[in-house]
Amino acid sequence: GQQLNQSPQSMFIQEGEDVSMNCTSSSIFNTWLWYKQDPGEGPVLLIALYKAGELTSNGRLTAQFGITRKDSFLNISASIPSDVGIYFCAGRLYNFNKFYFGSGTKLNVKP
Amino acid sequence: DADVTQTPRNRITKTGKRIMLECSQTKGHDRMYWYRQDPGLGLQLIYYSFDVKDINKGEISDGYSVSRQAQAKFSLSLESAIPNQTALYFCATSDSGPSGETQYFGPGTRLLVL
Repeated sequence: GQQLNQSPQSMFIQEGEDVSMNCTSSSIFNTWLWYKQDPGEGPVLLIALYKAGELTSNGRLTAQFGITRKDSFLNISASIPSDVGIYFCAGRLYNFNKFYFGSGTKLNVKP
Repeated sequence: DADVTQTPRNRITKTGKRIMLECSQTKGHDRMYWYRQDPGLGLQLIYYSFDVKDINKGEISDGYSVSRQAQAKFSLSLESAIPNQTALYFCATSDSGPSGETQYFGPGTRLLVL
């Protein structure tokens, strides 16, 4: 089946540092979504991307839809303790009615 | 009030029991989904429905069934629960706006099968 490769699997950073994570696929997607999930909670949508090359921000978060349509990046600037959680990407194949999900990046932020 | 609600939030059951997980949404979306999440793995699609009369199997539908009772309600059943169905289960809805499709998730149901 379709696979999204998300990296890194986990990150340990100091408060104030910037963070970058990405998802890649062997197939072309027409939508990329980025979510954050806190323990015991449902994923919360952070950013949605619909066009190749699109760059979208949500506060300290910025995500980009890769030009090749096979990847996407999420950056968090000036991290704070409440950024702790699992971030994962979701991609929708062109002409398919399903989303595929990455396995997540676990972010730990030291105060 | 939450847009996508799931009940129960936690459930413990025994092997062989039939259980039902329920999902309701107030977002007015036609599309609804059931996913399963296991530790260290991405979300896996169990079933999805694009309207009340439309039901489709996902990647891991064996051992599960669904019912779309109304536009706002989509329930997932485990006919005879087994321990490897212990997982977090999420319901999601999606809209298809002018830009594209976006999925919104419920808070999840944590299921333990003994």
